[in-house]
Amino acid sequence: AQSVTQLGSHVSVSEGALVLLRCNYSSSVPPYLFWYVQYPNQGLQLLLKYTTGATLVKGINGFEAEFKKSETSFHLTKPSAHMSDAAEYFCAVSGGGGSNYKLTFGKGTLLTVNP
Amino acid sequence: DTGVSQNPRHKITKRGQNVTFRCDPISEHNRLYWYRQTLGQGPEFLTYFQNEAQLEKSRLLSDRFSAERPKGSFSTLEIQRTEQGDSAMYLCASSLYGASGSYNEQFFGPGTRLTVL
Repeated sequence: AQSVTQLGSHVSVSEGALVLLRCNYSSSVPPYLFWYVQYPNQGLQLLLKYTTGATLVKGINGFEAEFKKSETSFHLTKPSAHMSDAAEYFCAVSGGGGSNYKLTFGKGTLLTVNP
Repeated sequence: DTGVSQNPRHKITKRGQNVTFRCDPISEHNRLYWYRQTLGQGPEFLTYFQNEAQLEKSRLLSDRFSAERPKGSFSTLEIQRTEQGDSAMYLCASSLYGASGSYNEQFFGPGTRLTVL
């Protein structure tokens, strides 16, 4: 069984400030980890993913995340927030090693960027 | 390639009515997934197909729900005798799964928002 916990349902930052969205996972198999972004009334867009290899992964729009197995974490960061980053962000996990089909999502974190 | 499309985008129905949603995946993708997202929650897996075969169904998919992918292309999700608890966003995603089993990104459609009155 797999699960995802996103700490903080709502994060508010100022434009230009660091963005840190927290994600912890539980998985009985080596996980594949994802961050998705959802804008109002739209579907999900993949920001970045970890499957194997380098534990620091870079994604679109300046976001990056680091897989820390010892901490079972996959926190999302961006050095400088932009107004256009305001959206809901979802962390997700799926089983790795070829069984990587269904995604298990966290409840999401709504990011607000203040001018 | 126009991405994953879903129709309708919005559906309002009365309790007890049947509804059907359609998903058109990216053309070369052989896997298709359905998820349900309720207010304030992340998407939850419902079911998925590889080509026309339905390979897994979540316990969330009650007997009132049925999904098909008859020719391995588009898929439909039908809800019979809708209940107010069925109100949600229904998301479809597709991916290309290869024999090697390597990672395959799921591309999501815009969703169908169902409101049951």
